[in-house]
Amino acid sequence: KQEVTQIPAALSVPEGENLVLNCSFTDSAIYNLQWFRQDPGKGLTSLLLIQSSQREQTSGRLNASLDKSSGRSTLYIAASQPGDSATYLCAVFSGANSKLTFGKGITLSVRP
Amino acid sequence: DVKVTQSSRYLVKRTGEKVFLECVQDMDHENMFWYRQDPGLGLRLIYFSYDVKMKEKGDIPEGYSVSREKKERFSLILESASTNQTSMYLCASSFSPSEGLRNQPQHFGDGTRLSIL
Repeated sequence: KQEVTQIPAALSVPEGENLVLNCSFTDSAIYNLQWFRQDPGKGLTSLLLIQSSQREQTSGRLNASLDKSSGRSTLYIAASQPGDSATYLCAVFSGANSKLTFGKGITLSVRP
Repeated sequence: DVKVTQSSRYLVKRTGEKVFLECVQDMDHENMFWYRQDPGLGLRLIYFSYDVKMKEKGDIPEGYSVSREKKERFSLILESASTNQTSMYLCASSFSPSEGLRNQPQHFGDGTRLSIL
C-alpha cells in the first residue's frame, strides 16, 4: 500500500528565504507526482505535476524534483513571500486502481 | 481554465438526514472524484467515476453513495448522516485520454464544509 510522508508538518521562515519542502513515498512504481497548494478553508490548487519519466518541473519561483528510485520529491520555493503562506500537499498517482495518495501536507508560514 | 464547482461552501444538517453534495465541472472531463479531508488524516478517497453511470469505491465508501447521470455532474450522497461525517468534502475532476487516466492532473473545487449536528 502506497504511503506518502511529508515532514515537518509545519515550517516558519522569514521572507526572502529559499526553502525546500520534502515528500517521500514508499512504492516507487508511480505514474506521476503532483504538488498542490491549499489556502485555509479552500480547495486544492495544482502547482506542478512531474511524470515518472521526468526529473523536474519548474513554474515561476517553484521547482519540483523527483527521484523515483529513492521515493523522494522536493518542492523548492525561491525568494519566499508572505503570499506563499499556505499548506503544501504532495500526492502520488500509482497502483492498480490508479489513484492519488496524498501526504498530510506541510503548513508554511512566511514571516514579513 | 478548468472550473470545478461545488454547490455549497458550508452546509449544516442533522443526524439521520439524507444529504446531497453536488459537483459540476465544465471541461468535459471523464473522471470525477470525491474526497474528504480531516485534520491529522489528510485527504481520503470516498468514490470515483470514470464515466457516466460508472462508479468505483475508494478507500472509505461506507455510509456514502454516488450518482453520475451526466458527464459534468457527480453527486455524493450521505444516506443517513452521522456526526462522524462532519468534514470538509472535496470534489475533483481529470481528463482521461485514450491511454487512461494515469497522466493527467486532478483539478479541485473549493470544498464543502459539512457539519452534522
